[in-house]
Amino acid sequence: DAKTTQPTSMDCAEGRAANLPCNHSTISGNEYVYWYRQIHSQGPQYIIHGLKNNETNEMASLIITEDRKSSTLILPHATLRDTAVYYCIAVNDYKLSFGAGTTVTVRA
Amino acid sequence: EPEVTQTPSHQVTQMGQEVILRCVPISNHLYFYWYRQILGQKVEFLVSFYNNEISEKSEIFDDQFSVERPDGSNFTLKIRSTKLEDSAMYFCASSVQGRRAKNIQYFGAGTRLSVL
Repeated sequence: DAKTTQPTSMDCAEGRAANLPCNHSTISGNEYVYWYRQIHSQGPQYIIHGLKNNETNEMASLIITEDRKSSTLILPHATLRDTAVYYCIAVNDYKLSFGAGTTVTVRA
Repeated sequence: EPEVTQTPSHQVTQMGQEVILRCVPISNHLYFYWYRQILGQKVEFLVSFYNNEISEKSEIFDDQFSVERPDGSNFTLKIRSTKLEDSAMYFCASSVQGRRAKNIQYFGAGTRLSVL
């Protein structure tokens, strides 16, 4: 699976959009980009995934660059409950290979 | 909303003892997984299971570990002889499909294993 690189941490103001970047410059053509989050040692929670088109669901939007070397997860209106570790994962088979992720702190 | 259920939430055991961690995956899911997270470290894949056999396992999943689906609802992880370094949070997950396009895994709340 391709390696992904994310910033270690970021802060976000409550009510504002949070833009979380992820670099996956070695991603192969058949690997999907998945985003999960983990709130305070709970089980990871699926957020969204995509291959090359932008995706949106009730939780977030995923923007993937045309060359697929990077992507951005957008939380449109961050709340305090969105404080978590966010993981960007390139998936090619059964397993999820978690990295260190980005610790996002939403501040009031 | 359906969820993955894990029991117990916390298990304390003595080094060398056998432990069985239990999971009830979401009922229509066909793929099952175990992950672990040592305190302060990243989530690590252990094993995936489909059609009553292991489909993939990591280097961590050595002969001390085994998985089983003893009936139509439970999925278990057994550690034969626990070591201090097995202390971790163990997460069970399940998905409808295993193909990368639709491999959305749903995780349980975890079992904290403490080996003394």
